[in-house]
Amino acid sequence: GENVEQHPSTLSVQEGDSAVIKCTYSDSASNYFPWYKQELGKRPQLIIDIRSNVGEKKDQRIAVTLNKTAKHFSLHITETQPEDSAVYFCALGGSNFGNEKLTFGTGTRLTIIP
Amino acid sequence: GAVVSQHPSRVICKSGTSVKIECRSLDFQATTMFWYRQFPKQSLMLMATSNEGSKATYEQGVEKDKFLINHASLTLSTLTVTSAHPEDSSFYICSASILAGETQYFGPGTRLLVL
Repeated sequence: GENVEQHPSTLSVQEGDSAVIKCTYSDSASNYFPWYKQELGKRPQLIIDIRSNVGEKKDQRIAVTLNKTAKHFSLHITETQPEDSAVYFCALGGSNFGNEKLTFGTGTRLTIIP
Repeated sequence: GAVVSQHPSRVICKSGTSVKIECRSLDFQATTMFWYRQFPKQSLMLMATSNEGSKATYEQGVEKDKFLINHASLTLSTLTVTSAHPEDSSFYICSASILAGETQYFGPGTRLLVL
Protein backbone atom coordinates (compact mmCIF):
# COMPACT_ATOMS: atom_id res chain seq x y z
CA GLY A 1 0.00 0.00 0.00
CA GLU A 2 0.86 3.67 0.05
CA ASN A 3 3.49 4.84 2.51
CA VAL A 4 3.56 8.18 4.24
CA GLU A 5 6.25 9.27 6.66
CA GLN A 6 5.50 11.89 9.27
CA HIS A 7 8.04 13.91 11.27
CA PRO A 8 8.64 14.70 14.01
CA SER A 9 6.94 12.13 16.22
CA THR A 10 6.91 14.56 19.13
CA LEU A 11 7.15 18.34 19.16
CA SER A 12 7.20 20.78 22.05
CA VAL A 13 6.67 24.44 21.30
CA GLN A 14 6.51 27.51 23.50
CA GLU A 15 3.10 29.10 23.53
CA GLY A 16 2.91 31.76 20.84
CA ASP A 17 5.57 30.19 18.67
CA SER A 18 4.94 28.28 15.43
CA ALA A 19 4.81 24.53 14.90
CA VAL A 20 5.54 22.71 11.66
CA ILE A 21 4.86 19.06 10.92
CA LYS A 22 5.94 17.44 7.67
CA CYS A 23 4.81 14.38 5.75
CA THR A 24 6.46 12.77 2.77
CA TYR A 25 4.95 10.23 0.42
CA SER A 26 5.92 8.14 -2.57
CA ASP A 27 2.83 7.70 -4.78
CA SER A 28 2.67 10.58 -7.24
CA ALA A 29 -0.99 9.75 -7.94
CA SER A 30 -2.02 10.97 -4.49
CA ASN A 31 -4.22 14.02 -4.87
CA TYR A 32 -5.86 14.64 -1.48
CA PHE A 33 -3.95 15.67 1.64
CA PRO A 34 -5.94 16.18 4.85
CA TRP A 35 -4.68 16.86 8.35
CA TYR A 36 -6.47 15.57 11.42
CA LYS A 37 -6.20 16.56 15.08
CA GLN A 38 -6.92 13.94 17.71
CA GLU A 39 -7.21 14.66 21.40
CA LEU A 40 -6.76 11.82 23.87
CA GLY A 41 -9.59 9.30 23.60
CA LYS A 42 -11.46 11.38 21.05
CA ARG A 43 -12.22 11.12 17.38
CA PRO A 44 -9.90 12.58 14.74
CA GLN A 45 -11.10 16.01 13.65
CA LEU A 46 -10.35 17.37 10.20
CA ILE A 47 -8.58 20.69 10.62
CA ILE A 48 -7.51 21.47 7.08
CA ASP A 49 -7.08 19.73 3.75
CA ILE A 50 -5.63 20.47 0.37
CA ARG A 51 -5.91 19.01 -3.08
CA SER A 52 -3.17 18.64 -5.61
CA ASN A 53 -4.24 21.54 -7.78
CA VAL A 54 -3.13 24.12 -5.20
CA GLY A 55 0.13 24.64 -3.37
CA GLU A 56 -1.06 26.29 -0.19
CA LYS A 57 -4.20 26.74 1.84
CA LYS A 58 -4.72 28.80 4.97
CA ASP A 59 -7.42 28.94 7.61
CA GLN A 60 -6.70 31.48 10.34
CA ARG A 61 -3.72 30.14 12.32
CA ILE A 62 -3.47 26.92 10.35
CA ALA A 63 -1.95 26.45 6.92
CA VAL A 64 -0.96 23.53 4.74
CA THR A 65 1.64 23.65 1.99
CA LEU A 66 2.07 21.05 -0.71
CA ASN A 67 5.09 20.34 -2.88
CA LYS A 68 4.01 17.73 -5.40
CA THR A 69 7.38 17.62 -7.12
CA ALA A 70 9.19 16.78 -3.91
CA LYS A 71 6.19 14.75 -2.64
CA HIS A 72 5.81 16.36 0.73
CA PHE A 73 3.25 18.47 2.50
CA SER A 74 3.39 20.32 5.77
CA LEU A 75 1.10 21.62 8.48
CA HIS A 76 1.90 25.03 9.91
CA ILE A 77 0.33 26.29 13.12
CA THR A 78 1.13 29.88 14.08
CA GLU A 79 0.62 31.67 17.39
CA THR A 80 0.20 28.35 19.15
CA GLN A 81 -2.11 28.06 22.14
CA PRO A 82 -2.38 25.42 24.88
CA GLU A 83 -5.51 24.00 23.26
CA ASP A 84 -3.44 23.13 20.20
CA SER A 85 -1.83 20.35 22.25
CA ALA A 86 -2.93 17.06 20.66
CA VAL A 87 -1.79 14.36 18.25
CA TYR A 88 -1.81 15.44 14.61
CA PHE A 89 -2.07 13.01 11.72
CA CYS A 90 -1.48 13.66 8.07
CA ALA A 91 -3.23 11.46 5.54
CA LEU A 92 -3.18 10.70 1.84
CA GLY A 93 -6.02 10.02 -0.53
CA GLY A 94 -6.58 9.46 -4.20
CA SER A 95 -3.67 7.11 -4.74
CA ASN A 96 -3.55 4.18 -7.10
CA PHE A 97 -4.47 1.97 -4.17
CA GLY A 98 -8.03 3.20 -3.99
CA ASN A 99 -9.49 6.59 -4.66
CA GLU A 100 -11.60 6.57 -1.53
CA LYS A 101 -9.11 5.32 1.03
CA LEU A 102 -6.98 7.39 3.32
CA THR A 103 -3.56 6.29 4.46
CA PHE A 104 -2.54 7.92 7.73
CA GLY A 105 0.86 9.05 8.90
CA THR A 106 2.28 7.87 12.19
CA GLY A 107 1.24 10.97 14.07
CA THR A 108 2.93 13.86 15.85
CA ARG A 109 2.32 14.57 19.50
CA LEU A 110 2.36 18.34 19.83
CA THR A 111 2.75 19.87 23.27
CA ILE A 112 2.35 23.61 23.76
CA ILE A 113 4.29 24.86 26.74
CA PRO A 114 2.53 27.72 28.55
CA GLY B 1 -23.55 18.99 9.62
CA ALA B 2 -21.76 15.72 8.78
CA VAL B 3 -22.16 14.05 12.16
CA VAL B 4 -21.22 10.41 12.64
CA SER B 5 -22.17 8.45 15.73
CA GLN B 6 -20.99 5.13 17.08
CA HIS B 7 -22.51 2.77 19.57
CA PRO B 8 -21.47 1.60 22.07
CA SER B 9 -18.76 4.00 23.17
CA ARG B 10 -17.07 1.32 25.19
CA VAL B 11 -17.63 -2.37 25.74
CA ILE B 12 -16.07 -5.06 27.88
CA CYS B 13 -16.61 -8.65 26.90
CA LYS B 14 -15.34 -12.11 27.68
CA SER B 15 -12.96 -13.92 25.39
CA GLY B 16 -14.81 -15.97 22.77
CA THR B 17 -17.89 -13.79 22.59
CA SER B 18 -18.94 -11.55 19.70
CA VAL B 19 -19.37 -7.79 19.81
CA LYS B 20 -21.30 -5.60 17.39
CA ILE B 21 -20.43 -1.95 16.84
CA GLU B 22 -22.75 0.40 15.00
CA CYS B 23 -21.75 3.40 12.93
CA ARG B 24 -24.39 5.89 11.82
CA SER B 25 -24.29 9.00 9.70
CA LEU B 26 -26.88 11.22 11.37
CA ASP B 27 -27.46 14.07 8.94
CA PHE B 28 -26.23 12.78 5.61
CA GLN B 29 -26.27 9.68 3.46
CA ALA B 30 -22.91 7.96 3.32
CA THR B 31 -22.10 6.04 0.18
CA THR B 32 -18.94 4.78 1.80
CA MET B 33 -18.01 3.99 5.37
CA PHE B 34 -14.63 2.97 6.68
CA TRP B 35 -13.59 1.00 9.72
CA TYR B 36 -10.30 1.70 11.46
CA ARG B 37 -8.50 0.24 14.43
CA GLN B 38 -6.19 2.27 16.63
CA PHE B 39 -3.92 0.76 19.26
CA PRO B 40 -2.59 2.98 22.08
CA LYS B 41 -0.19 5.68 20.89
CA GLN B 42 -0.41 4.43 17.31
CA SER B 43 -1.93 5.66 14.10
CA LEU B 44 -5.23 4.72 12.55
CA MET B 45 -5.07 1.52 10.55
CA LEU B 46 -7.75 0.97 7.94
CA MET B 47 -9.45 -2.38 8.34
CA ALA B 48 -12.06 -2.28 5.59
CA THR B 49 -14.06 -0.12 3.23
CA SER B 50 -17.79 -0.60 3.28
CA ASN B 51 -20.13 0.40 0.46
CA GLU B 52 -23.87 0.30 0.88
CA GLY B 53 -25.40 -2.83 -0.58
CA SER B 54 -22.18 -4.57 -1.46
CA LYS B 55 -19.50 -6.62 0.21
CA ALA B 56 -16.84 -4.84 2.19
CA THR B 57 -13.30 -4.59 0.89
CA TYR B 58 -10.83 -5.69 3.53
CA GLU B 59 -7.25 -4.54 3.88
CA GLN B 60 -4.45 -7.04 3.67
CA GLY B 61 -4.07 -8.97 6.88
CA VAL B 62 -7.58 -8.30 8.16
CA GLU B 63 -9.64 -11.46 8.52
CA LYS B 64 -13.03 -10.97 6.91
CA ASP B 65 -14.53 -13.92 8.77
CA LYS B 66 -13.48 -12.45 12.09
CA PHE B 67 -14.48 -8.86 11.42
CA LEU B 68 -17.90 -9.00 9.80
CA ILE B 69 -19.07 -5.79 8.18
CA ASN B 70 -22.60 -5.05 7.09
CA HIS B 71 -23.62 -1.84 5.35
CA ALA B 72 -27.36 -2.32 4.98
CA SER B 73 -28.34 1.30 4.41
CA LEU B 74 -26.84 4.63 3.48
CA THR B 75 -26.77 5.66 7.14
CA LEU B 76 -25.72 2.51 8.97
CA SER B 77 -22.74 0.20 8.93
CA THR B 78 -21.97 -2.44 11.55
CA LEU B 79 -18.75 -4.17 12.53
CA THR B 80 -19.01 -7.46 14.39
CA VAL B 81 -15.91 -8.77 16.08
CA THR B 82 -16.51 -12.51 16.25
CA SER B 83 -14.92 -14.78 18.83
CA ALA B 84 -13.10 -11.86 20.36
CA HIS B 85 -9.73 -12.39 22.03
CA PRO B 86 -7.67 -10.10 24.27
CA GLU B 87 -5.50 -9.07 21.31
CA ASP B 88 -8.61 -7.62 19.67
CA SER B 89 -8.80 -5.04 22.45
CA SER B 90 -8.45 -1.70 20.72
CA PHE B 91 -10.13 1.58 19.79
CA TYR B 92 -12.39 1.00 16.78
CA ILE B 93 -13.34 4.09 14.79
CA CYS B 94 -15.60 4.41 11.80
CA SER B 95 -15.75 7.21 9.28
CA ALA B 96 -18.16 8.13 6.55
CA SER B 97 -18.00 10.16 3.39
CA ILE B 98 -20.80 11.56 1.30
CA LEU B 99 -19.05 10.85 -1.95
CA ALA B 100 -16.12 8.60 -2.77
CA GLY B 101 -12.86 10.45 -2.42
CA GLU B 102 -14.39 13.27 -0.40
CA THR B 103 -13.82 14.28 3.20
CA GLN B 104 -14.16 11.54 5.79
CA TYR B 105 -16.03 12.36 8.99
CA PHE B 106 -15.15 10.25 11.97
CA GLY B 107 -17.30 8.70 14.64
CA PRO B 108 -16.35 9.06 18.31
CA GLY B 109 -14.89 5.56 18.46
CA THR B 110 -15.62 2.42 20.44
CA ARG B 111 -13.17 1.20 23.04
CA LEU B 112 -13.25 -2.60 23.16
CA LEU B 113 -11.71 -4.52 26.04
CA VAL B 114 -11.69 -8.30 25.80
CA LEU B 115 -10.98 -10.10 29.05
